[in-house]
Amino acid sequence: GENVEQHPSTLSVQEGDSAVIKCTYSDSASNYFPWYKQELGKGPQLIIDIRSNVGEKKDQRIAVTLNKTAKHFSLHITETQPEDSAVYFCAASNHQAGTALIFGKGTTLSVSS
Amino acid sequence: DVKVTQSSRYLVKRTGEKVFLECVQDMDHENMFWYRQDPGLGLRLIYFSYDVKMKEKGDIPEGYSVSREKKERFSLILESASTNQTSMYLCASSSTDGWQYFGPGTRLTVL
Repeated sequence: GENVEQHPSTLSVQEGDSAVIKCTYSDSASNYFPWYKQELGKGPQLIIDIRSNVGEKKDQRIAVTLNKTAKHFSLHITETQPEDSAVYFCAASNHQAGTALIFGKGTTLSVSS
Repeated sequence: DVKVTQSSRYLVKRTGEKVFLECVQDMDHENMFWYRQDPGLGLRLIYFSYDVKMKEKGDIPEGYSVSREKKERFSLILESASTNQTSMYLCASSSTDGWQYFGPGTRLTVL
């Protein structure tokens, strides 16, 4: 089955810096890759996703890149702000086959002002 | 806005008790999921359901069962709670486009 590895497990940056979180997946049939942000005391919230037919997607300060050949995808946050501090999870699934999402173990991002 | 609600935010039960965790979604989603979240282990899938009265095992189904009698409701059952089932339990739902929405979670403590 699918296995998703996520790095780093913790990341500390200064406000205004960029943050990058990387994930690798094992199943070449996976074609859907969402990213979730979980704030303290809340459930994970979808922030951006990418499907296997594109290599990059942006939404304001957030971008995700996908390298299907290498089977890895990354989350990029630019101009970080203290409110970006949270736990971030990547996930992968084969959407056409209807498989459930498999999540990475999460990255705790701390943005200090 | 999609809303996924879970019956309790915090729950304390004793070893051997039967525990019901309820999840309700209001967006007519076909798919519903139960995960548990533990420090350093991320989110692990317990069970999921693609339709009423249908269920499939996830990665860690042992010690759990589920029930989906209505489309909007998905219940997780701990037949005989044990201390190693102390965890945060997260319910989620999704439509066929794949976007998955989570509830706020239930923090279960088994004494």
